[in-house]
Amino acid sequence: DARVTQTPRHKVTEMGQEVTMRCQPILGHNTVFWYRQTMMQGLELLAYFRNRAPLDDSGMPKDRFSAEMPDATLATLKIQPSEPRDSAVYFCASGPTPGGTYEQYFGPGTRLTVT
Amino acid sequence: KQEVTQIPAALSVPEGENLVLNCSFTDSAIYNLQWFRQDPGKGLTSLLLIQSSQREQTSGRLNASLDKSSGRSTLYIAASQPGDSATYLCAARSYNTDKLIFGTGTRLQVFP
Repeated sequence: DARVTQTPRHKVTEMGQEVTMRCQPILGHNTVFWYRQTMMQGLELLAYFRNRAPLDDSGMPKDRFSAEMPDATLATLKIQPSEPRDSAVYFCASGPTPGGTYEQYFGPGTRLTVT
Repeated sequence: KQEVTQIPAALSVPEGENLVLNCSFTDSAIYNLQWFRQDPGKGLTSLLLIQSSQREQTSGRLNASLDKSSGRSTLYIAASQPGDSATYLCAARSYNTDKLIFGTGTRLQVFP
């Protein structure tokens, strides 16, 4: 049963601390997305990669957020330093090679609370 | 710029009713439209995906339609059950982009 996995599932941290969230996309999927979900803004795309190369990170605050794909099986989203307004659920999604249905498959999310 | 809206924001119905959830999008040049379900505290589960060349897709008691000319998609749930209680999100993908633009969702409660 192929699925996207994310760790940690929950994270509580103090303002100013570094936070790293990890995602393992579905094996064979070459497009990986990072989303953020809040009550006020709903679901927003932060960044996405294809074949490990960043294609668009325009939704991400660049001064504190960074996203990488060290290899095809791992995507990371890092916040440094974290702020209370970063509290949200962060989702990773993956999708197969373009040209098909472009369906995206979502992970369970990381619920981040910054105090 | 694509914008997606969903109405109603919330819906509470008795078990057994047939339901229609609405999704509107501003840019009719969409590549596909995807419907998701989200349970409280959980991730998104893909329900149906309609390509731009399709008019509808069906899966069990769910039927999703797409009318590009009017900028609308509807999700029809037949014979609703308490287990259908969740938030339903639609998302549109335009041509020449990988981005999904999400609506704000419809929170559905089906009571016994």
